[in-house]
Amino acid sequence: ETGVTQTPRHLVMGMTNKKSLKCEQHLGHNAMYWYKQSAKKPLELMFVYSLEERVENNSVPSRFSPECPNSSHLFLHLHTLQPEDSALYLCASSLSLLEGEQYFGPGTRLTVT
Amino acid sequence: AQSVTQPDIHITVSEGASLELRCNYSYGATPYLFWYVQSPGQGLQLLLKYFSGDTLVQGIKGFEAEFKRSQSSFNLRKPSVHWSDAAEYFCAVAGNAGKSTFGDGTTLTVKP
Repeated sequence: ETGVTQTPRHLVMGMTNKKSLKCEQHLGHNAMYWYKQSAKKPLELMFVYSLEERVENNSVPSRFSPECPNSSHLFLHLHTLQPEDSALYLCASSLSLLEGEQYFGPGTRLTVT
Repeated sequence: AQSVTQPDIHITVSEGASLELRCNYSYGATPYLFWYVQSPGQGLQLLLKYFSGDTLVQGIKGFEAEFKRSQSSFNLRKPSVHWSDAAEYFCAVAGNAGKSTFGDGTTLTVKP
């Protein structure tokens, strides 16, 4: 596969469940990002990783927990979510933090019931 | 702080007509500027970017954009719109390392 892939593409979970979103990039990039995209709201940057180290955490609730085991993989662990967390979660990567050009995955559509 | 404004929430054009989507940015130095397109249910795809040099940049799918420092603008244009161009378009500015700020997006509808 090429580019940035995300799994699953769709996820429905209850508020007491624990699930994880996975992102993988095949571009040899060193920076990876999680964004939240809700209807009628601008794109929200959640987390930024550079060389597997978290460099930004934009006041995201602790029920979202990122993990970056290597520069190709990024996870978003979810637990005890709220209905307002329902959104499209987008992963992106860039060659480095200094490269503003980002490559996005197709997203995971999350519904919290 | 950097910011991006896309004044038009929704634009409708007829197929074959020309298109211009507006973007205004705020950043203290020379910014990196981008236009992305998002089709329903998909991620964002980079259309074009401006880093420096020629202020008129060409992108994919026949799009171009012009950087105007005096107006703090980076408007996206296409001379003849196709029905497949219907999507949401995002302008973004990158200045501080690791942080792109996106506009709220403009939804393009193409009439047959």
